Amino acid sequence: RKEVEQDPGPFNVPEGATVAFNCTYSNSASQSFFWYRQDCRKEPKLLMSVYSSGNEDGRFTAQLNRASQYISLLIRDSKLSDSATYLCVVNGGNAGNMLTFGGGTRLMVKP
Amino acid sequence: GAGVSQSPSNKVTEKGKDVELRCDPISGHTALYWYRQSLGQGLEFLIYFQGNSAPDKSGLPSDRFSAERTGGSVSTLTIQRTQQEDSAVYLCASSLYRALTTDTQYFGPGTRLTVL
Repeated sequence: RKEVEQDPGPFNVPEGATVAFNCTYSNSASQSFFWYRQDCRKEPKLLMSVYSSGNEDGRFTAQLNRASQYISLLIRDSKLSDSATYLCVVNGGNAGNMLTFGGGTRLMVKP
Repeated sequence: GAGVSQSPSNKVTEKGKDVELRCDPISGHTALYWYRQSLGQGLEFLIYFQGNSAPDKSGLPSDRFSAERTGGSVSTLTIQRTQQEDSAVYLCASSLYRALTTDTQYFGPGTRLTVL
């Protein structure tokens, strides 16, 4: 079993749609959680951190469920520019800042 | 300010040759990380540095891989006797401190390595 699992997609949605991605992680000692965005042939960039209380940044909402060990990302009112691969990232739960990346979920927003 | 930079951006080499990849972290960042991403795959952690030391080398795929960091800044990842399965994008990231588990890592643009 992979440490961080994501549905690879692709998710094909029309502009304006709401789309949600889930991610599960296996290490219950993981302490911090992130969503990164990676555009085609570009480096990953931090989209948002994920907090236990849930957090929102504009059209993006992230949720963490520690009991079930899953993380979600909700994108409302999808834009064409949201098309990218979304990487679920988990801190390894060890002494340092060791990140474990999921394989990513590809989103394609169509006009 | 300047972000993480990597060179070369692309490298094509023949099987069996050695290659050296370079990473310049953000100025003042004490922690530096190397990852690789094969086509269509997620990121695979290779090694990290806190200052000039690399406490955990367990992520390196084989003894053909080595990395060093000098002056707490520039790092080089060396792959000896390259194999075709080494073909991937090698990404470098840096963060201000490593001790903070929530410290954001900033990625460079990567070096795309192709081994023929």
